[in-house]
Amino acid sequence: KNQVEQSPQSLIILEGKNCTLQCNYTVSPFSNLRWYKQDTGRGPVSLTIMTFSENTKSNGRYTATLDADTKQSSLHITASQLSDSASYICVVSGGEGDSNYQLIWGAGTKLIIKP
Amino acid sequence: DSGVTQTPKHLITATGQRVTLRCSPRSGDLSVYWYQQSLDQGLQFLIQYYNGEERAKGNILERFSAQQFPDLHSELNLSSLELGDSALYFCASSVVPTEKYEQYFGPGTRLTVT
Repeated sequence: KNQVEQSPQSLIILEGKNCTLQCNYTVSPFSNLRWYKQDTGRGPVSLTIMTFSENTKSNGRYTATLDADTKQSSLHITASQLSDSASYICVVSGGEGDSNYQLIWGAGTKLIIKP
Repeated sequence: DSGVTQTPKHLITATGQRVTLRCSPRSGDLSVYWYQQSLDQGLQFLIQYYNGEERAKGNILERFSAQQFPDLHSELNLSSLELGDSALYFCASSVVPTEKYEQYFGPGTRLTVT
């Protein structure tokens, strides 16, 4: 069964600290993996999108890594800011061909940054 | 601002009623997606349209239906509403419905069923 699991469920860190969020997936065949940031009550906003051949991708203080062999991804946030408080969602796409792909959404990690 | 618009922003209605949520995709996007997000839950994919045709179905209840019109805007119809239907409903759009293209999300419609 195609699944995306994220850990931890929630995380509280102090402003200025770094943190790493995890995503494990069983989607096959794999096409790409995305990380979204969702502020409370708002629509998700894309942070990164990685294909099979990409191991790492950065977007400012956000760096995503992908290990397609172990089917794991991580999102590292450097020098956290209060505005980083949000849910971070891992989404994996896969399926056979353009007409049959699926987007499998993880449940998200709720990150709280404390001053 | 993603360029995707949704109306209304908030909707309060009673159980048993029917409501219609509206979504206008970004200019040039042909595909529209609908998602439901209950309180403190992840997004649940409901349904996808491409250029007026239904493309994929997720966990959409039979009481719910949707369509995409020739001008590419989409409507999600929710009927015989129950308390458990209270949620944020998001619309997203993409250029074409393949995994290669980014989905852009609207601000959502918050539905409260009393």
